Amino acid sequence: DADVTQTPRNRITKTGKRIMLECSQTKGHDRMYWYRQDPGLGLRLIYYSFDVKDINKGEISDGYSVSRQAQAKFSLSLESAIPNQTALYFCATSDAGQITDTQYFGPGTRLTVL
Amino acid sequence: QKEVEQDPGPLSVPEGAIVSLNCTYSNSAFQYFMWYRQYSRKGPELLMYTYSSGNKEDGRFTAQVDKSSKYISLFIRDSQPSDSATYLCAMSAGNYGQNFVFGPGTRLSVLP
Repeated sequence: DADVTQTPRNRITKTGKRIMLECSQTKGHDRMYWYRQDPGLGLRLIYYSFDVKDINKGEISDGYSVSRQAQAKFSLSLESAIPNQTALYFCATSDAGQITDTQYFGPGTRLTVL
Repeated sequence: QKEVEQDPGPLSVPEGAIVSLNCTYSNSAFQYFMWYRQYSRKGPELLMYTYSSGNKEDGRFTAQVDKSSKYISLFIRDSQPSDSATYLCAMSAGNYGQNFVFGPGTRLSVLP
């Protein structure tokens, strides 16, 4: 997990607030992903990026935006947080050059929207 | 019907037991199958990766894929308290990370 770091680890915010979750990696991977995890639903993809100039929506991108500031940094923003965005958020990376697209996850950010 | 289904548990077993964890899926195009282990307050980590049908063994862990039944399993032999975690299955039609579909996870407790 130390190769993929996420800040903050925990965050409590109020409805309507803008919030940014940050992800940094030292693995040198090109691909980065943002997921959210909810009980009973598994991990669901929010956004992914294959390089700094490539940003793609995932399964559940509504209400979220992202920024790939550098190869190693990928941020997730909630423009106006709402309670049903309360979840565990994970950043992940993978290496385009490998045979298997193994994803390496960060430790997660627990977000609570009141 | 969810694309990938997994019994959420919790599953409690005594130390040394053989554990069987399972997932069923509905998309017959899935060819890549993975098992992730997630400890409390940690991110998932890849445990096993299997392409198409068959078995794969790695130490105490064996992954099985039965594409005809759309059913995958993870067996843990001689289970240890350190195996206590949530186990997520994941699968995809192509080897592209953005297409992985994750199961909700099964919580396992191995009691000393």
